[in-house]
Amino acid sequence: GAVVSQHPSWVICKSGTSVKIECRSLDFQATTMFWYRQFPKQSLMLMATSNEGSKATYEQGVEKDKFLINHASLTLSTLTVTSAHPEDSSFYICSAPMLGAYEQYFGPGTRLTVT
Amino acid sequence: QQQVKQSPQSLIVQKGGISIINCAYENTAFDYFPWYQQFPGKGPALLIAIRPDVSEKKEGRFTISFNKSAKQFSLHIMDSQPGDSATYFCAALRLYTGTASKLTFGTGTRLQVTL
Repeated sequence: GAVVSQHPSWVICKSGTSVKIECRSLDFQATTMFWYRQFPKQSLMLMATSNEGSKATYEQGVEKDKFLINHASLTLSTLTVTSAHPEDSSFYICSAPMLGAYEQYFGPGTRLTVT
Repeated sequence: QQQVKQSPQSLIVQKGGISIINCAYENTAFDYFPWYQQFPGKGPALLIAIRPDVSEKKEGRFTISFNKSAKQFSLHIMDSQPGDSATYFCAALRLYTGTASKLTFGTGTRLQVTL
C-alpha cells in the first residue's frame, strides 16, 4: 500500500509555544490530506481538510486560527498548533487519499504533549 | 445522517476463536466500507474494505460480511491470535468525483485475544 509519513512522531512543548507537524505522502501525490486528532480510547475526529493550492476547510468547532494548515506541495501538508495549551495535548494523525480511488492511507501519528 | 454505529465497544476472545465486530450505517449513499486496525501509539492501517455490490469479501483470516438491505456490515477475524489485539474501526465513505471524500468512522472496538 501507499506510505504516508509524519514528523515528528512525538513532541513536548511548553504552553504558549507553537508546534509544526508535517505529513508527507512518500510514493504518491496527494492533492488533499486530512488531519485528525484522537484522544485516548476514542475514535478519530476529523479536524480539517488540507487542499493543495487552496485554503484548508475546517470542521465545525475547530479553530482555524489555532490550527494552521498549509498544503505546500502535492506531497506535503503541515499542521501548526499555535499558542499550544495543555488541552491541545493529543494524538494528531494525517491521512491521504489516492486521487480518484477509495483508499485512504494514514500516517503513523504525532503525539503532542503540552506542559 | 452520516453516523456509523459500531459494537461492541470491547471484546475479549480466546486464541483460535472468532472475533466479530458489527457496524451499522444510515446513509445509503455510502459506497465504500473499510476496516482499519490501530495499535497503541500508531496510526490506523487499512485492513480490508468492501463495496456494497458484494455481500462478502475475504482476505486471509479477515472477512467482511455486508448486508445492504439491513445497512449493516461486520468484520470476522477467524483463528484470532494475540497479535490481533488492537482497536478496530469501521468506516464508510461516499466517493465524489474530482474532490476528496471524508471517512465517517465508527467509535472503535478494542479487541483483546487471550492465550
